Formats: sequence, structure tokens, C-alpha cells
Amino acid sequence: EPEVTQTPSHQVTQMGQEVILRCVPISNHLYFYWYRQILGQKVEFLVSFYNNEISEKSEIFDDQFSVERPDGSNFTLKIRSTKLEDSAMYFCASREAATQYFGPGTRLTVL
Amino acid sequence: SQELEQSPQSLIVQEGKNLTINCTSSKTLYGLYWYKQKYGEGLIFLMMLQKGGEEKSHEKITAKLDEKKQQSSLHITASQPSHAGIYLCGADGGGYQKVTFGTGTKLQVIP
Repeated sequence: EPEVTQTPSHQVTQMGQEVILRCVPISNHLYFYWYRQILGQKVEFLVSFYNNEISEKSEIFDDQFSVERPDGSNFTLKIRSTKLEDSAMYFCASREAATQYFGPGTRLTVL
Repeated sequence: SQELEQSPQSLIVQEGKNLTINCTSSKTLYGLYWYKQKYGEGLIFLMMLQKGGEEKSHEKITAKLDEKKQQSSLHITASQPSHAGIYLCGADGGGYQKVTFGTGTKLQVIP
């Protein structure tokens, strides 16, 4: 069964460094999303992406964040200068008409 | 914006007992997801409900969406230690919109 994949599963970085989280959505899906979950808290929406454009973003998704679909298969989330509070699980999702499918997540730890 | 409230926030049950978790939405639901999560880990998809009155079952877990599509319940029959974890409901915004998550219900099953 097709699934959303994410790499790496765990990323450790120093504060101030740039990180890129990678996702491979399900191949025929056209809508892509990033969410994050700080440990012990709610899963929060970050951004949605369609037709090479951001279609919606939350207040969390500030200028430090960017998303890109660099080729036909990958969908990336970049954090330019990581902060301690960016430590969280980041989930990618893609969608067909009725259902959104989530990836397994990347745990980002900022030291 | 859509808000989801889950109750109870936490639950401790004896193995073999039945239990119910509720998820109430501030708006009519287009669709409702149920996920299970181990602390700090990824989201395990349980089921998605879309139609008013719809009921789905998987093994010993049954979820139902009420006729007005503003409340869903998740029922576990004869609970086992393997059912322990955090149960999350997620409201599908419809039309390729984001999923909004509840705060989760933490379930412990005592052998």
C-alpha cells in the first residue's frame, strides 16, 4: 500500500543551524502538508502546499520556515536558523480527495 | 476556526474492561480521523468517518460519528495492555484543507 515516507527519522542539530526535513508524498497526490508536535502537546498545522504554492500557513510558519517541492517526488521543510523551541516531531502529509495520509515523522532535536 | 475537545483527558482501566473516548467539535465535521500514538512517536491511523451515523470497527475498536456530525466516540471492548497509548481525534476541514487535532486522551490499561 502506498505510504508517505520521511527522512531522516531523527535529526539532531545545533541552535542557529539550518535543517531540511524531507518527505516523499504518495505519488499521485497533489496536496501536501507539514505539521509539528512539540513533545506532550497537540499536533499543530504548519503549512499546506498545492501547485507549487503555499495555500495556507499558520502563525507558527514564520520567515524562518520555507517549503519546496524541488522535483516530482520530494517535499521539503527548511528551517533557516533553528531555535531550541523548534525541537518537535514534524509530520508530513499528503492528500487525495477524501483522506489525508501522514508520514511517520521526523524527530528534530535542537541543542 | 475549528476546535476539538476530547474527553476524558486521561483514563486508567483494568484489563478486560470496556471504555469510551469522546471527541466534540465546535463545527460540523466534514470528516473525523482517529489516531493512536505512543508518547513521542508517530501517528497510527485507526479509522476515518465521514457520514453522519457512520460506524466503523477494527478488531476491538469501534468508532462512530453522530448524525449531526459534531461528535465522535471511540469504544474499546475488552481492553488489553496493547491498547495503551494516546488517542487523538482529527477534524478534516474538507476541500483539501488541514486536519485540526484534539488534545488527546491518554489511556493506561492495567494488567
